[in-house]
Amino acid sequence: QKEVEQDPGPLSVPEGAIVSLNCTYSNSAFQYFMWYRQYSRKGPELLMYTYSSGNKEDGRFTAQVDKSSKYISLFIRDSQPSDSATYLCALAGDKIIFGKGTRLHILP
Amino acid sequence: GAVVSQHPSRVICKSGTSVKIECRSLDFQATTMFWYRQFPKQSLMLMATSNEGSKATYEQGVEKDKFLINHASLTLSTLTVTSAHPEDSSFYICSATTSSGVSSYNSPLHFGNGTRLTVT
Repeated sequence: QKEVEQDPGPLSVPEGAIVSLNCTYSNSAFQYFMWYRQYSRKGPELLMYTYSSGNKEDGRFTAQVDKSSKYISLFIRDSQPSDSATYLCALAGDKIIFGKGTRLHILP
Repeated sequence: GAVVSQHPSRVICKSGTSVKIECRSLDFQATTMFWYRQFPKQSLMLMATSNEGSKATYEQGVEKDKFLINHASLTLSTLTVTSAHPEDSSFYICSATTSSGVSSYNSPLHFGNGTRLTVT
């Protein structure tokens, strides 16, 4: 079983829709959870960082962690064309593991 | 704040030559820097971890003699791809953190914009 699973997409949604991106993981040792956004030919940019179960909100972005189910999500409200990018989840403990990334397309 | 500058952004070189990639933290001291390789539609693959003033720690399967890493100061780490071959063509990305040891994995990472290496 892979340590982290992330659907690569692509995921296409109309502008203004709510986007849900998810990762599942198998190692309960992961205690820190991050979401990065990566535009084409650029380095990843940190969007959200959390270490506890529950929700963390920052503007249009909400990170959700369910440690019991080993499941993390990123929600994007009022999605914009500029949100089109690849979103990578990252899980950290004594090491850091990145998901493969989900390619998101917001259709104007 | 927390800007990481990576240079060059793109390089094309001939097979057998060496290429140096620089990673600089512009407004913070990077105790730990990481070097990744990313293939199309794939995740970031950690190649090595470098700490200022000490030898880099390489991940399993990464040739340390081929991918030379030097972390000479708290703001600069370099990756040199020696005797590059077409199979080394990839997107190389560095990241930096002010933390060290195990904490470096738990802290938010600040990434450079990557270097697209093409070996002909």
